[in-house]
Amino acid sequence: IAGITQAPTSQILAAGRRMTLRCTQDMRHNAMYWYRQDLGLGLRLIHYSNTAGTTGEGEVPDGYSVSRANTDDFPLTLASAVPSQTSVYFCASSGGLATDTQYFGPGTRLTVL
Amino acid sequence: GQNIDQPTEMTATEGAIVQINCTYQTSGFNGLFWYQQHAGEAPTFLSYNVLDGLEEKGRFSSFLSRSKGYSYLLLKELQMKDSASYLCAVRDRDYKLSFGAGTTVTVRA
Repeated sequence: IAGITQAPTSQILAAGRRMTLRCTQDMRHNAMYWYRQDLGLGLRLIHYSNTAGTTGEGEVPDGYSVSRANTDDFPLTLASAVPSQTSVYFCASSGGLATDTQYFGPGTRLTVL
Repeated sequence: GQNIDQPTEMTATEGAIVQINCTYQTSGFNGLFWYQQHAGEAPTFLSYNVLDGLEEKGRFSSFLSRSKGYSYLLLKELQMKDSASYLCAVRDRDYKLSFGAGTTVTVRA
């Protein structure tokens, strides 16, 4: 079934640890995005990639890094997790054309203690 | 950047109509989207407006006025399953979305 998968579904992490959230899509979409969603703040863009090999910073990039080695995968890494990174993380993808919408993965619930 | 405002909560009765307003201020407008998000789930696409006017899709309609920086989502013949958060999002010229905080709609029997 075509779509976006994320792993893990949820994770509890000690502060200071390194963590990589995985995102894979099989729709051959050019563009991919990482958001975090916090109560009362809505979805905020962390990083994005318009095509394989390129990445850009969103609204809240500090403490996060991404890579886009191929079309399908867009991992998000927290080099040294802090409690303020406790959130629900959503990956999304789109075809990149003017009329294309973004489709979201199921999310990863991350708790940093 | 984008500044997007929408009400925090709305409550309506099953079978009724609810209108969710969204106002925005943007440095570069390239479309407005509405998403639905049920608790604990991912956002799902509802509608897209890039030109002024009304877009109708079944029980849901979305309206856009670019000159006023204003949109609304109209939900007709409300059903219990429509209880969810509704997210207004503005796309910029780089195809990035900025989201409002969302409006939680509660449908009561």
